[in-house]
Amino acid sequence: DTAVSQTPKYLVTQMGNDKSIKCEQNLGHDTMYWYKQDSKKFLKIMFSYNNKELIINETVPNRFSPKSPDKAHLNLHINSLELGDSAVYFCASSRTIPITGGLNEKLFFGSGTQLSVL
Amino acid sequence: GESVGLHLPTLSVQEGDNSIINCAYSNSASDYFIWYKQESGKGPQFIIDIRSNMDKRQGQRVTVLLNKTVKHLSLQIAATQPGDSAVYFCAVTGNQFYFGTGTSLTVIP
Repeated sequence: DTAVSQTPKYLVTQMGNDKSIKCEQNLGHDTMYWYKQDSKKFLKIMFSYNNKELIINETVPNRFSPKSPDKAHLNLHINSLELGDSAVYFCASSRTIPITGGLNEKLFFGSGTQLSVL
Repeated sequence: GESVGLHLPTLSVQEGDNSIINCAYSNSASDYFIWYKQESGKGPQFIIDIRSNMDKRQGQRVTVLLNKTVKHLSLQIAATQPGDSAVYFCAVTGNQFYFGTGTSLTVIP
């Protein structure tokens, strides 16, 4: 069983289209994330949800809208896709929110969605 | 905030040699550190971790060293194998996960 699964694996679309990426985790974790990885492999956090509540919203265009119907799912919808949105998007989860001095929280990643905007 | 940097973006080593990947962090209050391995076409996977009350931790063929004085950690891979070719990330945990820029390790057969 895949712990963090996201679909689709590849997404090729035209500029201006709207697309969604789905993510599910079966680890029983409370916290889920979306990361964007650029061509230089830099991992940038986009959003984080804890028990369906948004807790991190980095500087991301409002064309990106995450939705968490329950704590096992965090989907990412992107409106009006642009060329610069081309990247690999990773969903991840952790048992709970990392806190300085707290327990050793680890991130578990999905296998990524390669988005190509033409 | 936290900034996490790696000294070398790419590293090539001969099969069988040892590899050392370095990482610097800026927040002296950071207390938990993780190394991830990302193979081509996959998501990052946990390799080894270390808490700030330790300066060394060993796994199977991997060792993480933490120097809190200079805010530096390193990942050592013994007897590097072709399957070790990947991008390696250090991550520092504060109130979120802060990732380094990644080092691409290539193992030459």
